[in-house]
Amino acid sequence: NAGVTQTPKFRILKIGQSMTLQCTQDMNHNYMYWYRQDPGMGLKLIYYSVGAGITDKGEVPNGYNVSRSTTEDFPLRLELAAPSQTSVYFCASSDQGTVNEQFFGPGTRLTVL
Amino acid sequence: AQSVAQPEDQVNVAEGNPLTVKCTYSVSGNPYLFWYVQYPNRGLQFLLKYITGDNLVKGSYGFEAEFNKSQTSFHLKKPSALVSDSALYFCAVRDMNSVMRFGAGTRLTVKP
Repeated sequence: NAGVTQTPKFRILKIGQSMTLQCTQDMNHNYMYWYRQDPGMGLKLIYYSVGAGITDKGEVPNGYNVSRSTTEDFPLRLELAAPSQTSVYFCASSDQGTVNEQFFGPGTRLTVL
Repeated sequence: AQSVAQPEDQVNVAEGNPLTVKCTYSVSGNPYLFWYVQYPNRGLQFLLKYITGDNLVKGSYGFEAEFNKSQTSFHLKKPSALVSDSALYFCAVRDMNSVMRFGAGTRLTVKP
């Protein structure tokens, strides 16, 4: 199993540009999550999904959108990139919710200039 | 609000010595507590969790954590540190809305 995969690994955006961060898991997990990690701040939940077709906001959803059309994929969309969105983004998945461990992807390092 | 705090940004220990990484929590109701480790340029990896039962929880790589309800703590421990244990460690708690709240992290450095 590849686990949780994310693409791209690195990206530089200009202010106002848009992009989609891809996330795929092959463990048939129904729960998936997007976090951002800022230096010294731990991880903050952006959006999560409890299954295909169902998404919900986390702690810091502004400026982002998600969709969940399949169990495997959970892309994160940035519509109008801002410098405040410079961060490392992690996708994660878990079986049956957050009582169980979450499996994390390797992350995407995004810089907005 | 549910939260965790990691009071130490950095912990330094010598190889072979015991290590402790501290975590305190604030929750309503029964806490679901977790420890994760992050190696450089990698995603977080699960170490262990406390849901219910024994206060001493054993996890991966020889780590264990002690749940202390009276002190609202969930400290991570290992009897003998290895240089390869050097990493960033995160404590987390699941809140009432099933959202995982992470601490700011503690950087552990184990020196030979």
